[in-house]
Amino acid sequence: DAMVIQNPRYQVTQFGKPVTLSCSQTLNHNVMYWYQQKSSQAPKLLFHYYDKDFNNEADTPDNFQSRRPNTSFCFLDIRSPGLGDAAMYLCATAGRGRGANVLTFGAGSRLTVL
Amino acid sequence: KNEVEQSPQNLTAQEGEFITINCSYSVGISALHWLQQHPGGGIVSLFMLSSGKKKHGRLIATINIQEKHSSLHITASHPRDSAVYICAVRDNTDKLIFGTGTRLQVFP
Repeated sequence: DAMVIQNPRYQVTQFGKPVTLSCSQTLNHNVMYWYQQKSSQAPKLLFHYYDKDFNNEADTPDNFQSRRPNTSFCFLDIRSPGLGDAAMYLCATAGRGRGANVLTFGAGSRLTVL
Repeated sequence: KNEVEQSPQNLTAQEGEFITINCSYSVGISALHWLQQHPGGGIVSLFMLSSGKKKHGRLIATINIQEKHSSLHITASHPRDSAVYICAVRDNTDKLIFGTGTRLQVFP
């Protein structure tokens, strides 16, 4: 089945130790999003891409970086995780144009920072 | 002020009741999505709207582009409908902006 897959589902890291989260999709969607969701809060947009055009939200900390080497893959790098970065990280994809507005979410990667 | 506002923030209902969740937005959009998130679960897209009305089972979603307003209705609500319902709009730069969500609890 076409889908959005996030790895790992659960990541435990130490304070300051870099982490990379991945997202892959088989939908051939142009648009990919990374969101951070903390407990009982709405998801907060970190970045989004249209193809390789990268859009960084103004309030996304410099500690967060992203890469999209091709249509299928997108990575979220957290260079020096702090305790406040513990959250669920959600990847989503979307098509573009008429009839291509399907929005699909991955299951998320839950990050714990010790 | 948030670009996407939802009301109510919390909603409790008895099984069988008709439920309405409202969403208002202030930006130009290419599409509006209604999403569902069960506790501890992933996010599922329920509807994508750019005009008019859509129905899927007991769920109905409407949008009024001129008024920048959308509603999600649940008919004959059931405890399994208990979840957070999120309105999200896709602006003309493909940015997907989330509302704050409505937490629904349906009691038997």
